[in-house]
Amino acid sequence: DSGVTQTPKHLITATGQRVTLRCSPRSGDLSVYWYQQSLDQGLQFLIQYYNGEERAKGNILERFSAQQFPDLHSELNLSSLELGDSALYFCASSGAGSGYEQYFGPGTRLTVT
Amino acid sequence: AQSVTQLDSQVPVFEEAPVELRCNYSSSVSVYLFWYVQYPNQGLQLLLKYLSGSTLVESINGFEAEFNKSQTSFHLRKPSVHISDTAEYFCAVRASGGYQKVTFGIGTKLQVIP
Repeated sequence: DSGVTQTPKHLITATGQRVTLRCSPRSGDLSVYWYQQSLDQGLQFLIQYYNGEERAKGNILERFSAQQFPDLHSELNLSSLELGDSALYFCASSGAGSGYEQYFGPGTRLTVT
Repeated sequence: AQSVTQLDSQVPVFEEAPVELRCNYSSSVSVYLFWYVQYPNQGLQLLLKYLSGSTLVESINGFEAEFNKSQTSFHLRKPSVHISDTAEYFCAVRASGGYQKVTFGIGTKLQVIP
């Protein structure tokens, strides 16, 4: 158990819809990262937050957005969903003293039909 | 910017045989290097990392990796694999210092054959 929790575990929705994925980092970790993992694209970095502020952006589509709240949990919002958005979405966290290690949650499997 | 190349997408190997999973990186600055492992239906977990110091780093379950700056490589090795090592292995790189994003390779699926 990494200490990172993600909800929901599975999500099935239709094209055009909007969903929100939630992540709670390990206790004390200030950094949260979001990744998308698909068979054809591999593991893609989406975005990083540190203590509520956006720190780095990767291959995140304009239809996607994220935020980190004062209690440090984070949400990834995916809108106008397309079939190609079907993937595993991972959240990871890291903190001071972790030696730059990222701790990954179990992931949310999103299926867009 | 950094990049990572994992040269093999799949590596089948017989149980108790040695294995090497290859990783090359590209960066204009000094880097930290990582290997993560993903078991089926789980998230990634850190296997080992190189930050500084000894170029040979080891994990608790018998894997090792050597940082080779001249060849910009960080290959992962194990002298004798077990069935339980069947998983996907990701090499990752980030620039040292400050707030830097981590770049992951595409992953190598290690399949250990009984």
